Amino acid sequence: NAGVMQNPRHLVRRRGQEARLRCSPMKGHSHVYWYRQLPEEGLKFMVYLQKENIIDESGMPKERFSAEFPKEGPSILRIQQVVRGDSAAYFCASSANTAGRTDTQYFGPGTRLTVL
Amino acid sequence: AQSVAQPEDQVNVAEGNPLTVKCTYSVSGNPYLFWYVQYPNRGLQFLLKYITGDNLVKGSYGFEAEFNKSQTSFHLKKPSALVSDSALYFCAVRDNHAGANNLFFGTGTRLTVIP
Repeated sequence: NAGVMQNPRHLVRRRGQEARLRCSPMKGHSHVYWYRQLPEEGLKFMVYLQKENIIDESGMPKERFSAEFPKEGPSILRIQQVVRGDSAAYFCASSANTAGRTDTQYFGPGTRLTVL
Repeated sequence: AQSVAQPEDQVNVAEGNPLTVKCTYSVSGNPYLFWYVQYPNRGLQFLLKYITGDNLVKGSYGFEAEFNKSQTSFHLKKPSALVSDSALYFCAVRDNHAGANNLFFGTGTRLTVIP
């Protein structure tokens, strides 16, 4: 009964490169959320997706960041032309498909992005 | 706007003593409240949640939390602390806006249990 899986666990990029972060939700979950955690801070919401749809991207920076959750395969958070300020831990969470808001979000181990 | 506040950055408690980690919230409408714990270099682990019903919610690892509507608080408690409880604890509230489902997190409280 695997939990939320994220890879890679650690990612090092130079300024200007692209970063691709992957998230596979728990089995049976069709809602995925991405959060960013800066050192010594709480998590900040970025984007909420269901299969093939972006539901809420109000926390996503307007430029360089994009997310997808295709019909097949993991959810991808893509950061183009990374800058040092993008260095953070990026967490993915998933929840089951229900009509209410009472579902628990279960988090993956995170991807720690370091931009040199 | 939804938000939570964790007024203490750091809480120290002796092993075997009761512990409390404080959280207050601000929401429009019904609050859906959560506690998570984060160990070093790990993701967040779910502890418990309040949706409706009894004000005292029991969760994982012996933790519980008391929902207090009049004080808009949701403090995390444990009767007897263990050294292994030392970690970073986050309180969170669900966004109540239509179509939204994300969590707003507090800034975290670092709990240290002293042997």
